[in-house]
Amino acid sequence: AQSVAQPEDQVNVAEGNPLTVKCTYSVSGNPYLFWYVQYPNRGLQFLLKYITGDNLVKGSYGFEAEFNKSQTSFHLKKPSALVSDSALYFCAVRVDTGRRALTFGSGTRLQVQP
Amino acid sequence: NAGVTQTPKFQVLKTGQSMTLQCAQDMNHEYMSWYRQDPGMGLRLIHYSVGAGITDQGEVPNGYNVSRSTTEDFPLRLLSAAPSQTSVYFCASSYSAGAPNSPLHFGNGTRLTVT
Repeated sequence: AQSVAQPEDQVNVAEGNPLTVKCTYSVSGNPYLFWYVQYPNRGLQFLLKYITGDNLVKGSYGFEAEFNKSQTSFHLKKPSALVSDSALYFCAVRVDTGRRALTFGSGTRLQVQP
Repeated sequence: NAGVTQTPKFQVLKTGQSMTLQCAQDMNHEYMSWYRQDPGMGLRLIHYSVGAGITDQGEVPNGYNVSRSTTEDFPLRLLSAAPSQTSVYFCASSYSAGAPNSPLHFGNGTRLTVT
């Protein structure tokens, strides 16, 4: 079985400050990890994915994610937050065997204050 | 190139009614799937398809049917709507069913209310 945990329902950060949205995963096998963002009344948009061997992955809109195999984590980061980054963020994991379905975390709402 | 198109955007049903949520993609994607999104629960997989004529159940398939007669279309049928099916439904596709690092492309969702 595979699962994803996003331990924070909401993260508040001031504009210009760095942000981190946390994600931990549990899989049997090699993990394929993704981050998605959802703006109000829209579908999810792909931000970035883990690439095997790269512990720091860069994605869209200045976001990056840090992979830590020993801690089974894939935290989303951005050096300087923008008000327009305020949205719902989802971490997701898939394995390369069996059903290959993408399993999502419960989401973290990011609020960036001006 | 429209991507993933879902219709309708909103729907209200009475308990016991049936309906079909439509999903079409114009990217020639092999893999298509349906998720429901409920507050605090993330997205849960209902059904998925790895190609025309092939479908399989996800995490929460009860009360829903799917078919995949063409590569482009993947409709979701609610057989007899129940209030527990009130949710936002998303269709998503990806290029290759066999590539686990292939990201999903999502439609904008259908907000369904069952009274």
